[in-house]
This record gives sequence, structure tokens and C-alpha cells, in this order.
Amino acid sequence: RKEVEQDPGPFNVPEGATVAFNCTYSNSASQSFFWYRQDCRKEPKLLMSVYSSGNEDGRFTAQLNRASQYISLLIRDSKLSDSATYLCVVNALDTGRRALTFGSGTRLQVQP
Amino acid sequence: DTGVSQNPRHKITKRGQNVTFRCDPISEHNRLYWYRQTLGQGPEFLTYFQNEAQLEKSRLLSDRFSAERPKGSFSTLEIQRTEQGDSAMYLCASSLGLAGTQETQYFGPGTRLLVL
Repeated sequence: RKEVEQDPGPFNVPEGATVAFNCTYSNSASQSFFWYRQDCRKEPKLLMSVYSSGNEDGRFTAQLNRASQYISLLIRDSKLSDSATYLCVVNALDTGRRALTFGSGTRLQVQP
Repeated sequence: DTGVSQNPRHKITKRGQNVTFRCDPISEHNRLYWYRQTLGQGPEFLTYFQNEAQLEKSRLLSDRFSAERPKGSFSTLEIQRTEQGDSAMYLCASSLGLAGTQETQYFGPGTRLLVL
């Protein structure tokens, strides 16, 4: 079983739609959580950190459920420019590991 | 540009050859990471430096792979006797690790390796 699992998609949605991505992680010691965005043939870029209380950044809302080991990302009012792969990322700091563990990514295609 | 830089951006080599990649982190970032990414997968951790010390290595880092960060600034990743399975994007990331704060890793543009 992968440490971080995501639905690979693709999610094809029209402009203006709301879309939600989910992610589960297996290591209960995970302490930091992130969503990264990766455009085709580019490097991953931090979209947002995910906090226990949930957090919002403009059209993007991230939620964390530690009990279920589940992370979500909600994108409202989708734009064409949101088309990318969204990577769910965790970090289990208490094991001494500082490396990030990435999911395989969920591909989003926003259509006009 | 003050971001993470990597050179070369692309490398094509023949099986059995050695290759070396360079990463220049963001100035004053004390932590540097190497990841490898293959098509359709997320990046996978290879190794990590804090200043010049290599503190963590993945089991993916076979004995053909070696990484250095001699002065705690730039880093090199060398692959000896390349194999076709080494074809991937090699990503470098850096961060400023401060006690008590959440660390954010910033990625470079990657070096895309193709082994023929």
C-alpha cells in the first residue's frame, strides 16, 4: 500500500465548477500536510499547507481529518489556469525523516 | 532569479556512462533535498543534506548514486554506470529549517535524464 494515495483522475470540469480532491495517508505519525501543484513538465510548487482546523486561500480550501487520515482540497469557481496535477504531500517529522512523501497526483483539466 | 536552480536541464546519455547534476539552492537555505520523479508518479525522496552533512538516504539510492554538498551550498548528484531505469526527472529542493517552524521545500526546475 502506498503511503499517500490519491485518485489519479483526470477530473474534467467546466470553468466555474467546484471540484474536490481527496487523499489518504497511511502513516499516523505524519505531522505536516501540503498540497503542491505541478504543471506539465514543470517542478512542483507549493499551493498551500493544510492545518488541523482547515484553511482557505482564495478559491482553495484544504481540510485535514487526522482520525481518518484523510486530506481534501476544494477548488471553487475553477479557472482554465487551474488545469494541472495536484499532489498531496505529507511529512512524518517525529520519525526523524524530513523528506516529503508525495502521492501520485490528481490531474485536473478545466474546460472552457 | 533567486529560486533553486539546476543544471543541466536536460541530459541524454548512453547506458553505462556516468552523469553529474548540479543544484544551487536558495541562498541561506540550510537544507537541500534530491528527489526523483518518473512519469505519472509523484516525486520520490533520494537524499537530504543539512548544511554539508548528508543526514538521510533512501533505499532508492543505490551504490551507483552519490551526492555531495561540500561547502553547504550547491550540491551534486552523480549516477555511475547509468541504466535505462535511471531515466527520470531529478528534482532538487531547498528549505530553511528553523526550530519550531513549519518547513517549506522549494523545488528547482529539475534535470530530465534520458538513458538510451
